[in-house]
Amino acid sequence: AQSVTQLGSHVSVSEGALVLLRCNYSSSVPPYLFWYVQYPNQGLQLLLKYTTGATLVKGINGFEAEFKKSETSFHLTKPSAHMSDAAEYFCAVSPSNFGNEKLTFGTGTRLTIIP
Amino acid sequence: ETGVTQSPTHLIKTRGQQVTLRCSSQSGHNTVSWYQQALGQGPQFIFQYYREEENGRGNFPPRFSGLQFPNYSSELNVNALELDDSALYLCASSGTSGKETQYFGPGTRLLVL
Repeated sequence: AQSVTQLGSHVSVSEGALVLLRCNYSSSVPPYLFWYVQYPNQGLQLLLKYTTGATLVKGINGFEAEFKKSETSFHLTKPSAHMSDAAEYFCAVSPSNFGNEKLTFGTGTRLTIIP
Repeated sequence: ETGVTQSPTHLIKTRGQQVTLRCSSQSGHNTVSWYQQALGQGPQFIFQYYREEENGRGNFPPRFSGLQFPNYSSELNVNALELDDSALYLCASSGTSGKETQYFGPGTRLLVL
């Protein structure tokens, strides 16, 4: 079975400060890892994903994440927060040896940007 | 290119009723997955359809059922609604390989009274 744990259900950062959202995964097989963002009253938008290859993954809106197998982590970062980054962020995992992507999501981290 | 669309956007039902939610997949996608997102929680996988066949199911009772049509659009049916079924229902479509990224629709918010 696979699971993800997002540390911190709420994170607040000042505009222009570093954004760090934490995600740790558990998987008995090599994982595919994802970060999705959800704005109020909307569906999920893919920020970035790790499948194979380079462990540092760059996504949209200036976000990036690094896959660290030794730490079973896939933390999301952005060097400088913008007001428009305020949203709910979800980390998700799927098994790489499965014939389809059945995503298992974490409980989410709500990011607040302080002006 | 048209993205994933869902209808209706909002729905109110009473306990014991039945509901049908609809999803049109993104152009070129033949796989549709359904998720339930309760308030304050992450989405939970309900089931997936690939070429009109169910291709995996999460931990949901049989009163949650689905269909996929030849044009790859899909329906989620829930019978005997319970209060705990109140949630945002998300549909996601993905491409032909089964290993491609899932693209989500805006969701249908269901309230059961």
